[in-house]
Amino acid sequence: QKEVEQNSGPLSVPEGAIASLNCTYSDRVSQSFFWYRQYSGKSPELIMSIYSNGDKEDGRFTAQLNKASQYVSLLIRDSQPSDSATYLCAVNPGDMRFGAGTRLTVKP
Amino acid sequence: EAGVAQSPRYKIIEKRQSVAFWCNPISGHATLYWYQQILGQGPKLLIQFQNNGVVDDSQLPKDRFSAERLKGVDSTLKIQPAKLEDSAVYLCASSLGLAGGNEQFFGPGTRLTVL
Repeated sequence: QKEVEQNSGPLSVPEGAIASLNCTYSDRVSQSFFWYRQYSGKSPELIMSIYSNGDKEDGRFTAQLNKASQYVSLLIRDSQPSDSATYLCAVNPGDMRFGAGTRLTVKP
Repeated sequence: EAGVAQSPRYKIIEKRQSVAFWCNPISGHATLYWYQQILGQGPKLLIQFQNNGVVDDSQLPKDRFSAERLKGVDSTLKIQPAKLEDSAVYLCASSLGLAGGNEQFFGPGTRLTVL
């Protein structure tokens, strides 16, 4: 089992729809969780961090964390073509561990 | 606030040659990280520094990779000798550190091609 697993992509949604990205992790001691966006040929850009169970909203982005289920997700509301990128889930049980990423395409 | 700086941005070398990458973190960030990102994969941590001390280098191939952060600010990652499988993007990131949170911010990366 991989330490951080993300739903296999690619994921394609129409413009204006909700994109849902999922991530599970194996290390129960993890306390910090992050979502990064990576455009093709660019470096990862931090978009959300979450540390407590529940939801955290920032603009069109909502991160959800359930430590009991070892599950973290990212919802993107009103998806825009500019949201098309690879989204990386990262978990920090002491050292940062990244998933392989889910490629999202938002079609106009 | 200036971001993480890295150089060079691109490097092409032949196998068995050596190469060095440089990183300057965000001012005031105590923790510096080097990652290797192979195409289609997530970044893999190579080494983590807290000021000028190594916190974690468990995934650093120490027979060929070395890194230093002598003055606790900028850092150099070296590969000697390079292998074909070292072709990747090498990312540097920094964070405030344990007391200030561990949100990491990445530099633009160095794309290494080993022929």
